Amino acid sequence: DAGITQSPRYKITETGRQVTLMCHQTWSHSYMFWYRQDLGHGLRLIYYSAAADITDKGEVPDGYVVSRSKTENFPLTLESATRSQTSVYFCASSESEQAGNEQFFGPGTRLTVL
Amino acid sequence: AQKVTQAQTEISVVEKEDVTLDCVYETRDTTYYLFWYKQPPSGELVFLIRRNSFDEQNEISGRYSWNFQKSTSSFNFTITASQVVDSAVYFCALSVYSTLTFGKGTMLLVSP
Repeated sequence: DAGITQSPRYKITETGRQVTLMCHQTWSHSYMFWYRQDLGHGLRLIYYSAAADITDKGEVPDGYVVSRSKTENFPLTLESATRSQTSVYFCASSESEQAGNEQFFGPGTRLTVL
Repeated sequence: AQKVTQAQTEISVVEKEDVTLDCVYETRDTTYYLFWYKQPPSGELVFLIRRNSFDEQNEISGRYSWNFQKSTSSFNFTITASQVVDSAVYFCALSVYSTLTFGKGTMLLVSP
């Protein structure tokens, strides 16, 4: 029972490079989310997806691209990484759109942009 | 727009002390949910509790208790007889639709 996994767990890249963070869940949850965690900011929503091929912007979407061709995968791409995108990225999933549904979080990816 | 404020950035206590983590939220919606998550030093996010806006009953789970007061828009979290293993960052979050709005977190350090 893998649940929700993220890869890689750690990534170091350089400014201007493209980076893709992977997220995979085994529950067939409809909703998936990407958050970034920064000191002093808590967790902020980047993008979310209600279903395959349906995505929407969160609070801090600039510089990021998402896609969702399959229900179980929700990759996050930094098209041209910047130092300000150094952060810990969490993927999450939930069963439906109901506000009370618990979101299940992946272990996080620590990204450093040099 | 939704907003969650955790005014306490960091709290330090000695083991066995009681500690309360404050959470104040803002929303215009009448139906919403409040959450608390724990993030231990290992980094994962651990769900602790969910409370809907129509249920103002306080909840107790072992050493943990939660006080939800709609009149003051607060959802405070108390740890009784704290332990070193309680050291973590604690996040309060608000959900109106499918997304969560998090507070900035309170780092709790429990020393022996």
